[in-house]
Amino acid sequence: DGGITQSPKYLFRKEGQNVTLSCEQNLNHDAMYWYRQDPGQGLRLIYYSHIVNDFQKGDIAEGYSVSREKKESFPLTVTSAQKNPTAFYLCASAGVSNYGYTFGSGTRLTVV
Amino acid sequence: RKEVEQDPGPFNVPEGATVAFNCTYSNSASQSFFWYRQDCRKEPKLLMSVYSSGNEDGRFTAQLNRASQYISLLIRDSKLSDSATYLCVVNLGNFNKFYFGSGTKLNVKP
Repeated sequence: DGGITQSPKYLFRKEGQNVTLSCEQNLNHDAMYWYRQDPGQGLRLIYYSHIVNDFQKGDIAEGYSVSREKKESFPLTVTSAQKNPTAFYLCASAGVSNYGYTFGSGTRLTVV
Repeated sequence: RKEVEQDPGPFNVPEGATVAFNCTYSNSASQSFFWYRQDCRKEPKLLMSVYSSGNEDGRFTAQLNRASQYISLLIRDSKLSDSATYLCVVNLGNFNKFYFGSGTKLNVKP
């Protein structure tokens, strides 16, 4: 079955560490996105990519980095510059816009 | 002003009730509209797209009012399992940006 896979499901980060969240899709979607969700809040866009080797900053890109070396993969690195990284991170992909997004099951990141 | 606005709720309704949510959007060029459902600590899942003529899927009815720039979701005969947060999503017609509302929380009680 086609889908979008995020790993790990839970991730713990120490202060000052960089961590990378994985996102892989086999839906043949061109566009991929990273969102952050804080408790009781809506989704905020971190980065997005429409094609391989190209990506754009979203509304809250500071302290994050991404790469898009393959169509299927869009990893997100949470750097030590992100001062408040504890959140639920959602990756999504989209093909034809009328069909909306498909989301991965999310990664819950906690700073310890 | 936010691109998409929703009443955060919570809406507390008894089983069997009919409940309606509205969502307003600011960009008149918006072309695609969706309702997503998000359960606690889970990812959002597509509930239904919203078409200009309105559309129905079982107990769920979605409508679009372009003149007033809002979409609505009506749930009839509410079930306990309908308890979730409902997210309104708007797209400008390409996959550049999907704009999410912050969600409306629904609690259906026995």
